[in-house]
Order: sequence, then C-alpha cells, then structure tokens
Amino acid sequence: DQQVKQNSPSLSVQEGRISILNCDYTNSMFDYFLWYKKYPAEGPTFLISISSIKDKNEDGRFTVFLNKSAKHLSLHIVPSQPGDSAVYFCAASGLDTGRRALTFGSGTRLQVQP
Amino acid sequence: SQTIHQWPATLVQPVGSPLSLECTVEGTSNPNLYWYRQAAGRGLQLLFYSVGIGQISSEVPQNLSASRPQDRQFILSSKKLLLSDSGFYLCAWSVLQGLGNEQFFGPGTRLTVL
Repeated sequence: DQQVKQNSPSLSVQEGRISILNCDYTNSMFDYFLWYKKYPAEGPTFLISISSIKDKNEDGRFTVFLNKSAKHLSLHIVPSQPGDSAVYFCAASGLDTGRRALTFGSGTRLQVQP
Repeated sequence: SQTIHQWPATLVQPVGSPLSLECTVEGTSNPNLYWYRQAAGRGLQLLFYSVGIGQISSEVPQNLSASRPQDRQFILSSKKLLLSDSGFYLCAWSVLQGLGNEQFFGPGTRLTVL
C-alpha cells in the first residue's frame, strides 16, 4: 500500500519555465511534508518542507503548496534551470510513526532543457 | 556543522557472503539514525531506524540487521547476502524539533550482489 504517490515518473521543462511536481498521500495522520532532490549515485538533499498548519511555504525559487482536503502537495520551481535536473522525492511523516520515520514517494525525474 | 559519512562507496559481493556497512555522524548528539535502500528505478524504502544506542526498529522483514554501538555510529549487516540485497543504501540522521523531521542523508553505498 503506497501511502505517498508520485504518479509522474518523469517531467521535461524548458529552461526559464515553471516546473510543477505533484505528490498525493493517503494517510490522514501525515502532518509534515518534505521534498528532496537526488542526483545519481548521491544521497538525497533536503529542499523544502511544510507542516499541515500551512498551505504554502516559499524558499527562493522553490515553493511547496499543500491542499489538505485533497491530500495533495506540489513543488513549484520558478524559473527552472538546467542544474535542477534530478530526481525529486516527496516524503511525509506523522503521528502514527512518532514523527520519526519518513515515507517516500517513488520519485519524479525532472529534465530541464537548455 | 553536521556531516554524515558512509563507507564503502561501492561494494561488489558474492551471494552468501557477509556484509557490513558503516555510517557515522559528526557535529550532533543523540541523533535519530536511519538506513534506507533504493532499489533500481524505485523510491526509498526505510529499513531500520534508531532513536538511541542499542535501540533499533525494523520496518520490513528481511535478510539484514542493524546495530548502533555508539551514539553516532550506525551499522547495517548481513550474515549471508542474497541477490535481492543489491541496491543503493543510504544512511540518514535527524533531530526531532516540533513537527519537523528533516532527515539528512549520507552519500550512499552502491551494493552489487553477484
């Protein structure tokens, strides 16, 4: 049972445009959400997070939106740059795991075309 | 600042051989520690987490075990490797602060079992 789903395995965007990566979750106990970026053969790098008491969090070119009623979150990257090309993972944690464990989605590979 | 080390970076082992992967964290005390595996083309699967010395929680039944002999050392082991143990193994640490559970990952170990 996949509790965190990233239904788009890949996304291609032109440099300078907006990249929108989507994530859905099923566990209503999740109350903290994170996005990670991963290059091949490296560990994931933490990008941005949002708690369930907010619906938006912004950090430079990265903005995460949370829609609790739809159990959906998205990561917006504006403007997209070729260096943003990587696999992006959505992750969530909640009360049922003591907020210790993260549940990850399967990832979306973003390709930013110059 | 905190840093996390994993070694070795790559490992090729025959089926039935033992395994020991090591992870150490610097610059923080009493971290939560985690072992994840990323199989080819898939997301990150949590294998073990530890909230303190000698305290290990296993997330999935498998051929692997974990130990935490010191506060900032986490070891992943197997007595006899299987072909299905191949993958990219990642160690991570976190310190719980309120709702937040940002986890920070090491560089990973690529394990190939032949």
